Amino acid sequence: GAGVSQTPSNKVTEKGKYVELRCDPISGHTALYWYRQSLGQGPEFLIYFQGTGAADDSGLPNDRFFAVRPEGSVSTLKIQRTERGDSAVYLCASSAGRTDTQYFGPGTRLTVL
Amino acid sequence: AQTVTQSQPEMSVQEAETVTLSCTYDTSESDYYLFWYKQPPSRQMILVIRQEAYKQQNATENRFSVNFQKAAKSFSLKISDSQLGDAAMYFCAYRRGTYKYIFGTGTRLKVLA
Repeated sequence: GAGVSQTPSNKVTEKGKYVELRCDPISGHTALYWYRQSLGQGPEFLIYFQGTGAADDSGLPNDRFFAVRPEGSVSTLKIQRTERGDSAVYLCASSAGRTDTQYFGPGTRLTVL
Repeated sequence: AQTVTQSQPEMSVQEAETVTLSCTYDTSESDYYLFWYKQPPSRQMILVIRQEAYKQQNATENRFSVNFQKAAKSFSLKISDSQLGDAAMYFCAYRRGTYKYIFGTGTRLKVLA
């Protein structure tokens, strides 16, 4: 596609529920990243995929967070047993290679009530 | 650890005037990249300008230019002939040659008509 797309744009859920956030990167980009942006902060790195594999998941805050990219294109960020502190904007970015400039999607605003 | 500091939470500029946004960073590395991203209310992070640390020449993109002072670890963004569409959050980011971006906390720019 022309740019990185993310769905849904907004997601409201209740504490304890499971959510999935989807990212569709720029066509042909092999590298994909997830970031979390809390209110009043800059984005913070969560995980980096090169192809289908998670090359660096050091930013995932705990084991409730998990991400997949089964075919090396679309990625899904999964959050189990959501907590109010998970409320944030989740941004996805992609790049042609790991050293190339990252292009961001519009993000998903997650609100946990 | 690398850090990025944006000391101006908010700035205002009159339309058609010039404004400078400040950014400092801390690193012990010699090879790295610096970026300015713009985030409008749509949430999409848009690349404004990029600077490679090994280049002494300051990067320029139309009305946007940087003042890169490597020894001082300073990377300011100058916006000339400000337009209403420039109003947004601006984030300074550091990347050490690979893929993990470290973002500052952002500066909100208001453009006054």
